Amino acid sequence: GNSVTQMEGPVTLSEEAFLTINCTYTATGYPSLFWYVQYPGEGLQLLLKATKADDKGSNKGFEATYRKETTSFHLEKGSVQVSDSAVYFCALSTSNFGNEKLTFGTGTRLTIIP
Amino acid sequence: GAGVSQSPSNKVTEKGKDVELRCDPISGHTALYWYRQSLGQGLEFLIYFQGNSAPDKSGLPSDRFSAERTGGSVSTLTIQRTQQEDSAVYLCASRGYGGQETQYFGPGTRLLVL
Repeated sequence: GNSVTQMEGPVTLSEEAFLTINCTYTATGYPSLFWYVQYPGEGLQLLLKATKADDKGSNKGFEATYRKETTSFHLEKGSVQVSDSAVYFCALSTSNFGNEKLTFGTGTRLTIIP
Repeated sequence: GAGVSQSPSNKVTEKGKDVELRCDPISGHTALYWYRQSLGQGLEFLIYFQGNSAPDKSGLPSDRFSAERTGGSVSTLTIQRTQQEDSAVYLCASRGYGGQETQYFGPGTRLLVL
């Protein structure tokens, strides 16, 4: 079956620090990979995605590259801001008769201190 | 346009009572998903609807859980004889037709079973 393993949190960084949140996956078929973010008091939002090997998803300064050889999709940002404080979820989907249900990692809580 | 909406935003109920949770997907979206976010289990898939096809109920945790989608739009998730372990945030997501489309999440319903 499908599974996602992501870096345990919580993670606390100073503003302008470099961020990496590790994510690895196991999947049957050819998954699409996602990072979702949940800001305090808000719903889940798609941050970025990649649908095939070597694709790079990017948004709001965040990047992640789909690495098939290492089955990874690590999230990176060069300089974090206080406003990036949130819970980040790595996820994958594979199409099963059109059902592209998402399989999520456990989430990583990120806190950025000024 | 309007996003996915869910009601109620919060629900407190007594053990053994039935509850109904509602989801209004984005207009025109043919696919609708229910997920559950709980402390013990993380984010997990419950059920998937696509157009007029039979739903994929493979994620429902017990026969106390059921869901329907009327007219291909609004969906209701019903939990009968609620138990304390049903306490969680229930999330609804919708997606347009076609592969690898983004799922858009609603704000969730926070359910507390006393």
